[in-house]
Amino acid sequence: AQSVAQPEDQVNVAEGNPLTVKCTYSVSGNPYLFWYVQYPNRGLQFLLKYITGDNLVKGSYGFEAEFNKSQTSFHLKKPSALVSDSALYFCACTGANNLFFGTGTRLTVIP
Amino acid sequence: GAVVSQHPSWVICKSGTSVKIECRSLDFQATTMFWYRQFPKQSLMLMATSNEGSKATYEQGVEKDKFLINHASLTLSTLTVTSAHPEDSSFYICSARDWGGTDFRAKNIQYFGAGTRLSVL
Repeated sequence: AQSVAQPEDQVNVAEGNPLTVKCTYSVSGNPYLFWYVQYPNRGLQFLLKYITGDNLVKGSYGFEAEFNKSQTSFHLKKPSALVSDSALYFCACTGANNLFFGTGTRLTVIP
Repeated sequence: GAVVSQHPSWVICKSGTSVKIECRSLDFQATTMFWYRQFPKQSLMLMATSNEGSKATYEQGVEKDKFLINHASLTLSTLTVTSAHPEDSSFYICSARDWGGTDFRAKNIQYFGAGTRLSVL
């Protein structure tokens, strides 16, 4: 079965510091992996995806994610965090027809 | 990027009434749309998958007679919560998958509506 895990419920980082939100996957076959962000009372916004190609994927708002096959990870990163990055982040992988989401990681960027 | 419009954003209704939520893909065709439910501080739970012109596929434990889904066109899907009760109060989110055409980069991406907060009194 396809699944992703986000080991951290909460991540706090100071503004200007680099941030990492972790995700590991368990996928049979080639993984299709995604990151989404959710702001309060809003739907999810697509950040980036990995399907094939370069292991470093660049996405919206300065975010990037690194696909690591040996560690089965797809961590989300940003070199310098902004207060406006504070939100709920979901990692996801595709099943036969739909997305399987992780449990989410709440990122708080402290001014 | 592609836009999915979901309406209404917030609805309050009396117990026993029915509520319809609309989900539209504004600038792309969506052969497949998804309906999710999200409880506070939890991840999204897939309720059903709808394909244009055919019956929706419901996830285990989701009552299809209570949550009626219609996907009549490539840009519109509706979710009707019938005879709503307080336990149906939740945040409902729709998403649409861009079939992508010949653009490989667009394929497999799900775009989400802003969600509908349903409160049943």
